[in-house]
Amino acid sequence: GENVEQHPSTLSVQEGDSAVIKCTYSDSASNYFPWYKQELGKRPQLIIDIRSNVGEKKDQRIAVTLNKTAKHFSLHITETQPEDSAVYFCAAILGAQKLVFGQGTRLTINP
Amino acid sequence: DTAVSQTPKYLVTQMGNDKSIKCEQNLGHDTMYWYKQDSKKFLKIMFSYNNKELIINETVPNRFSPKSPDKAHLNLHINSLELGDSAVYFCASSQISLTEEAFFGQGTRLTVV
Repeated sequence: GENVEQHPSTLSVQEGDSAVIKCTYSDSASNYFPWYKQELGKRPQLIIDIRSNVGEKKDQRIAVTLNKTAKHFSLHITETQPEDSAVYFCAAILGAQKLVFGQGTRLTINP
Repeated sequence: DTAVSQTPKYLVTQMGNDKSIKCEQNLGHDTMYWYKQDSKKFLKIMFSYNNKELIINETVPNRFSPKSPDKAHLNLHINSLELGDSAVYFCASSQISLTEEAFFGQGTRLTVV
């Protein structure tokens, strides 16, 4: 079926280290892959997105890579800081105008 | 101005009651969604509307009925509330025809007792 798989479900890293979250998707026609960050008690907010015509995009400490052949994409956070602690969601547009989210990754940055 | 606003923020009600959650967006987007976020934080799509027309209905019980009077509004009415309906419900909107960012409302925490 149409879905987005995200791993790991929880991730704990030391402050200053890097964090990587991975997602796979089912619909080869998907062409838009956003990542959302949700802080405790808040709404999900977009932090970075990538379209299928590029393989990598970077914004300061955050980068996303896309492998369309393998149907997977990843979020990379470098030099992690305590304020990076949150739940992160990958997403993809599947089928007809359906924005589907992965299961979420709870990232904890340890000081 | 708030881009996507939903009301109420909190809703506590008894089993069997009927309740509504309202959502409005002032971004001129053509697509609006309802998502349910359970205690495990999974964001599950419930409905999607495009220009007032229902395009996605994800195996949601028919006690849930969305209504879109115009493309800026998407309300969610829930009949005969059950304990398992307790969750945070998020409204969102996007210009999906252009694969643009989805903006979320603040969420409505529904507690059924």
